[in-house]
Parts: sequence; C-alpha cells; structure tokens
Amino acid sequence: AQRVTQPEKLLSVFKGAPVELKCNYSYSGSPELFWYVQYSRQRLQLLLRHISRESIKGFTADLNKGETSFHLKKPFAQEEDSAMYYCAPRSYNTDKLIFGTGTRLQVFP
Amino acid sequence: DAGVIQSPRHEVTEMGQEVTLRCKPISGHNSLFWYRQTMMRGLELLIYFNNNVPIDDSGMPEDRFSAKMPNASFSTLKIQPSEPRDSAVYFCASSQDGYSGNTIYFGEGSWLTVV
Repeated sequence: AQRVTQPEKLLSVFKGAPVELKCNYSYSGSPELFWYVQYSRQRLQLLLRHISRESIKGFTADLNKGETSFHLKKPFAQEEDSAMYYCAPRSYNTDKLIFGTGTRLQVFP
Repeated sequence: DAGVIQSPRHEVTEMGQEVTLRCKPISGHNSLFWYRQTMMRGLELLIYFNNNVPIDDSGMPEDRFSAKMPNASFSTLKIQPSEPRDSAVYFCASSQDGYSGNTIYFGEGSWLTVV
C-alpha cells in the first residue's frame, strides 16, 4: 500500500537552530518526492522536489532509497520558516499526489 | 494567470443542507484535484480528474460527496446532505498533464463549517 509518514506533528526550535523534518514513505516502484509548505492562512506551495536536487530558502532534502526517507533539513532555522510542511510522494505514471499528515514547524525568536 | 480560483472562501451552513464548492483551474492545466484538510487527518485526496474525466475517486468519503468537471475550466464538489464532521478546508489544485514531475498548484481553499 502507498503510505507516507511524518512522525512529528509539531517541531519547535529556536532561531538559528538546525531543523530536520522527517518523512518516510512506502511506495511501489520509484516515486518522485516533493515537499510542500503552507504558511499561515496561505495556499500550499511547492518547496522543493527531489529530482531537482536544489536548495530552496536554505532547505534541502535528500532521497534515501535504502531507508525510503526524504527528510527536509535546514542548518539554521529562521522565524519566517514557521509553517506546515507536507511530504508528498507521487508515482511516475500518475498525477496522484499523496500527502503525509504534515509537520508544523515553530521557530521561536 | 490568477492561479487556481476557489469559491466560496468561507461557508457556514446548517447540518442537512447542500454545499457546493467551486473551482477554476489554471488555464491549460488538464489535471484537477480535490483535497480535504483537517487537523486530525491532514491532507486527503478526495478525487482527481484528467481531461475532465474522473480518474480516481477512491478518497471520496461516502455517497454524500460528489464531484463533477463539466469542462476544462470548471469543477464542483458537492456535499448533500452536509454533516458537522464535514467541516474542513477543501482545496482544489491543478497541474499540466503529469508523468513528468509537473508541479501541482493549489487554490486558497474553501473553509467549510457545518453546524
């Protein structure tokens, strides 16, 4: 069965601290992996995707096929990073994007 | 482009009433998705269309929910009769034809409260 797990509902850190939001997936085949972010009262928007291997707003995510993980990391959190973060895998042969339950990141000053 | 447009932005209705949520996808996009967001369950995919045809409706919770896409620029999600447990934020999203990692763009959501 296709499943994505974000074990932490809430992650609280102080400004400047490192952040790691965990994501594990169970998917047949080799899915694409995405991270979406939702700032307070705004629409969800794409943060980054694994195929791009890019850093967006200081965030990076490495796909670990052996551990079936796609954790989101940032070395120094900023207050403006406070938001809901969703991990989302998608099979290559479909448009269907399945979201995890999300992790709320709170960055305190 | 104004992005994915949803209406209404907020709706409060009484239990038993019919609710219709509307969505206009981004022009040129041929995949459309309806998601429901709650605190307990996060973001759940309800149904998605490709070229106006429902492809996967396995996430639709029960017969009270129905969705249509009569043309490429309009879709509706209907709940009849509504119940308090339907209270949630309903997001519509669209993308160009998939299979190649195309980004899915979300609307601002319709906040539904059923009392």
